[in-house]
Amino acid sequence: DAKTTQPPSMDCAEGRAANLPCNHSTISGNEYVYWYRQIHSQGPQYIIHGLKNNETNEMASLIITEDRKSSTLILPHATLRDTAVYYCIVRASGSARQLTFGSGTQLTVLP
Amino acid sequence: EAQVTQNPRYLITVTGKKLTVTCSQNMNHEYMSWYRQDPGLGLRQIYYSMNVEVTDKGDVPEGYKVSRKEKRNFPLILESPSPNQTSLYFCASTSGTGALWKQYFGPGTRLTVT
Repeated sequence: DAKTTQPPSMDCAEGRAANLPCNHSTISGNEYVYWYRQIHSQGPQYIIHGLKNNETNEMASLIITEDRKSSTLILPHATLRDTAVYYCIVRASGSARQLTFGSGTQLTVLP
Repeated sequence: EAQVTQNPRYLITVTGKKLTVTCSQNMNHEYMSWYRQDPGLGLRQIYYSMNVEVTDKGDVPEGYKVSRKEKRNFPLILESPSPNQTSLYFCASTSGTGALWKQYFGPGTRLTVT
């Protein structure tokens, strides 16, 4: 699976959009981009995933560049409860491997 | 509610005293796995199971055993715990294939071995 690069930390003001970048320049055509978050020692929580099209659900939006080498997770109206470590993970469709977590981005939402 | 449950959530034990951490999922998933999480090392897979009676080693299997006698349960067994197994443990189960693939995690078990 392709490696991902994320900034180690970011801050965001409460109520504003949080935009979390992820670089996956070596991504292959059959690899999906997954986003999970972990709120202080709780189990990682699925947020969203996509292959090449932008995706939106009740939690967030995922914007994938046309060349698929990077993506951005958008939390449209961040709240204090969104403070967490956010992981961007690339996984090949059909792979027997589960998710390989990197170090992620610590997002702190400030009041 | 679809969920992965783990018990106990917290456990303090002594070196060498066998223990089992239970994991159960109510989503009829075939694939289940165990991870440990340590500061600076992220989540590392210990064991996984692709179906009943089918288990295989992950990245850090030493000192652990698992069993998968029924689809919903996947217990993690530490036959002789040692202090280096002090960690935060997560069970996970996986649904779907291709675009529908998702992994669901339990709430975690914090284990301290003294």
